[in-house]
Amino acid sequence: TQLLEQSPQFLSIQEGENLTVYCNSSSVFSSLQWYRQEPGEGPVLLVTVVTGGEVKKLKRLTFQFGDARKDSSLHITAAQPGDTGLYLCAGAEGGSNYKLTFGKGTLLTVNP
Amino acid sequence: GAGVSQSPSNKVTEKGKDVELRCDPISGHTALYWYRQSLGQGLEFLIYFQGNSAPDKSGLPSDRFSAERTGGSVSTLTIQRTQQEDSAVYLCASSSPEVQLFFGSGTQLSVL
Repeated sequence: TQLLEQSPQFLSIQEGENLTVYCNSSSVFSSLQWYRQEPGEGPVLLVTVVTGGEVKKLKRLTFQFGDARKDSSLHITAAQPGDTGLYLCAGAEGGSNYKLTFGKGTLLTVNP
Repeated sequence: GAGVSQSPSNKVTEKGKDVELRCDPISGHTALYWYRQSLGQGLEFLIYFQGNSAPDKSGLPSDRFSAERTGGSVSTLTIQRTQQEDSAVYLCASSSPEVQLFFGSGTQLSVL
């Protein structure tokens, strides 16, 4: 069974600060996805990274896939209260997208 | 509606009772997924339907769990003889094959 470890589990910061969330595994994934989930809602896909070493930017969010495709990071610049939520990483096995392995998530709180 | 619809949004039941959870996927999406999210845990894959193919049931935790998808659209997840450890949020998602998953808001199941 492939496992994804996310750290930190909880993060509380002030508006304007930068932060990085990590997603690590001993296994190789064909692709890795990052989701954000708000209370009472399902996860919403933010980005998919496929190539080792790939970097993708989404406004103030920067996603990186490790060279060996075993780990990933999410960096948020100048965090805002609207960034508050549960951030989940999910890895896809082999060539299939459907049986995703999810990490337990990082609960981010951005205080105004 | 435009999104994945799940009902009920909340379900409280007594231990030993059967429950049925419903999922209406996005129109035209041939793939449908069920995941379970327990408190403090990541999402756990339960079952995957793709078109008329046999479903991948490898994630169902016990034979008390079953799911069906009628007419390639609506899906029902049934839990028989519920146990307290079944308490969780049950999330449904749909997609075009191998493309982005869209999640519903989930059903919060509480077994007393």
